[in-house]
Parts: sequence; C-alpha cells; structure tokens
Amino acid sequence: DTAVSQTPKYLVTQMGNDKSIKCEQNLGHDTMYWYKQDSKKFLKIMFSYNNKELIINETVPNRFSPKSPDKAHLNLHINSLELGDSAVYFCASSSDRHTEAFFGQGTRLTVV
Amino acid sequence: AQKVTQAQTEISVVEKEDVTLDCVYETRDTTYYLFWYKQPPSGELVFLIRRNSFDEQNEISGRYSWNFQKSTSSFNFTITASQVVDSAVYFCALKDRGAQKLVFGQGTRLTINP
Repeated sequence: DTAVSQTPKYLVTQMGNDKSIKCEQNLGHDTMYWYKQDSKKFLKIMFSYNNKELIINETVPNRFSPKSPDKAHLNLHINSLELGDSAVYFCASSSDRHTEAFFGQGTRLTVV
Repeated sequence: AQKVTQAQTEISVVEKEDVTLDCVYETRDTTYYLFWYKQPPSGELVFLIRRNSFDEQNEISGRYSWNFQKSTSSFNFTITASQVVDSAVYFCALKDRGAQKLVFGQGTRLTINP
C-alpha cells in the first residue's frame, strides 16, 4: 500500500547508456514531480506535471525526458547518461499545488 | 525570488537534550506555504508539517514543535527531549501560492548521541 513508489531503488550504469525510472502514486493526486538530490543533499525540482500536463521544466538538459501516461504515473527517461547525472532522484505527488508533496523512496543512480 | 536558508549545516547533541533547527525564508508573495521534511539514514523523505502564511499559530506534535514568525521570516523546528531515532537530515521548504514547486533549504544534519 505504498503511496508513491519508484523503481528501481538502485541503478548502476555506464556512461552513454539510456535508462528509465518509473514512478506510480496511488493517492489520487493531480500533481507529480521529479526532484534531484545531489551528493551534498541539495534538493532541486526538475519537472512538475499536473493532470498529465508539463507545468515546470526547470532548465534540465533535454537528455532528461519525463513522460506521464496517466495521472498516477510519471516516468523519467535519461538518454546518454553522464557522470554528473549520478544523484538520487525522487518522485513526489501532491493533491494540488498548495499542499505538501509526498515522496517516493528515491532512486540512487550511479553512472560509471 | 524564493529562497530558504538553513544556516546550521550540522548539529550534534546528546540524547534528551532539546534542539532547535533554524529556517529563514525569502519570498515576495504574500501567500505561501512552509514545510519541514525529515530524511533519515534510510534515505526517504518524510513530510512533517505544512504551515500557511496566514496562520502564524505555533504547532506542537508530541516532542516536535514549530515556531512560525512572519516578522523575522523564520519557521524554526524544535525537538524536545531528543532521541537517537531523531537523527536525520531535516529540510525546510517553501512554496509560493503561484508556484508549482517546493524550494528546499540546504538541510541540517542532526545527530543525537546516546
């Protein structure tokens, strides 16, 4: 009965590969997000979707492409992975833009 | 522009001590929302509290309390009688009414020693 679930939890891959991270929420929320947490623990928004529509694209390289097939899912595809993409990626959802966001457990991406 | 500052990078106390985590925010919006999240060593982000800008009442939840003061743009978090399980990184965050995103502070790593 996990509220926001991400898969995989860990991802180790070589430079240049393409990878995807999946996210699903069962809270009935309209808004979903991707956040990136760097090695210094700093959290920054990457994307925000509301009812499957992209609302925020926070100057993220276009190698990162989010896809929302429906309100409950927001996947993140990353092309041509670089060493600097190594981070923890968090998916989150909220019922609307004013309320708290609930986060998934994070995906630790390591690019070697 | 929105900004959240958590000046304390790391705090270490002995169990049962009280500890306060500071959070100062900047925003031009008159309506905004403030949050605290906890990130324990296991890595997940746990929502603790949300405060609306028009509600300056302080809040207490068990050993946790929050002091919101608009006059100083601060939203501080106090843990009373700290326990080892309180060890985590704590994040303060801000969301403007018109925004769709949380802006996080740098986080404060709190270590409670037995």
